Amino acid sequence: GAVVSQHPSRVICKSGTSVKIECRSLDFQATTMFWYRQFPKQSLMLMATSNEGSKATYEQGVEKDKFLINHASLTLSTLTVTSAHPEDSSFYICSARPAGAQETQYFGPGTRLLVL
Amino acid sequence: AQSVTQLDSHVSVSEGTPVLLRCNYSSSYSPSLFWYVQHPNKGLQLLLKYTSAATLVKGINGFEAEFKKSETSFHLTKPSAHMSDAAEYFCACSGGYQKVTFGTGTKLQVIP
Repeated sequence: GAVVSQHPSRVICKSGTSVKIECRSLDFQATTMFWYRQFPKQSLMLMATSNEGSKATYEQGVEKDKFLINHASLTLSTLTVTSAHPEDSSFYICSARPAGAQETQYFGPGTRLLVL
Repeated sequence: AQSVTQLDSHVSVSEGTPVLLRCNYSSSYSPSLFWYVQHPNKGLQLLLKYTSAATLVKGINGFEAEFKKSETSFHLTKPSAHMSDAAEYFCACSGGYQKVTFGTGTKLQVIP
């Protein structure tokens, strides 16, 4: 149990286009989902926290208009990278926290974004 | 505020020998501590977690970690390394409704 999926697993896009990444909790309801970014050989950096039905909370330095997050249901959150630039190329990982579980997060397999 | 320090960015061991990955934390609250493993181009998999119960925590794949409050440490150990253990390992901390803070990771290399 406690499986989180991400789609797509890998995406290549042209500079200036927008890319949507989906994060789904497959067998549990997630009131909170987290989006992380990981640069090569570095740790995960939290970008934003999304709660179902409300606006996401962004970490300092993360542009909310560039990284649009929608947590429309208890099993789905989406991250849209708008007007992507090459410096947005990174590994994006989501995690989902089950309802009522304060400390637990289950991570998705990640999405590799390459912006040309 | 909280922080996590992984002192070793890279650890190399021979197959069959013990593994020690070090982690120190700083937290204003009674922390929950985690170890995650990440294989190349994959997400994170939880190895084990400490949440104020037993100080010696056993996880998956033969790993265990000991919470030492006096040393603010949560080192990860395994008695005998296997080739499949080669991966990146992240220590993480959370407490007092704060977000999870990750360390910078330790890359484990297992030599045949």
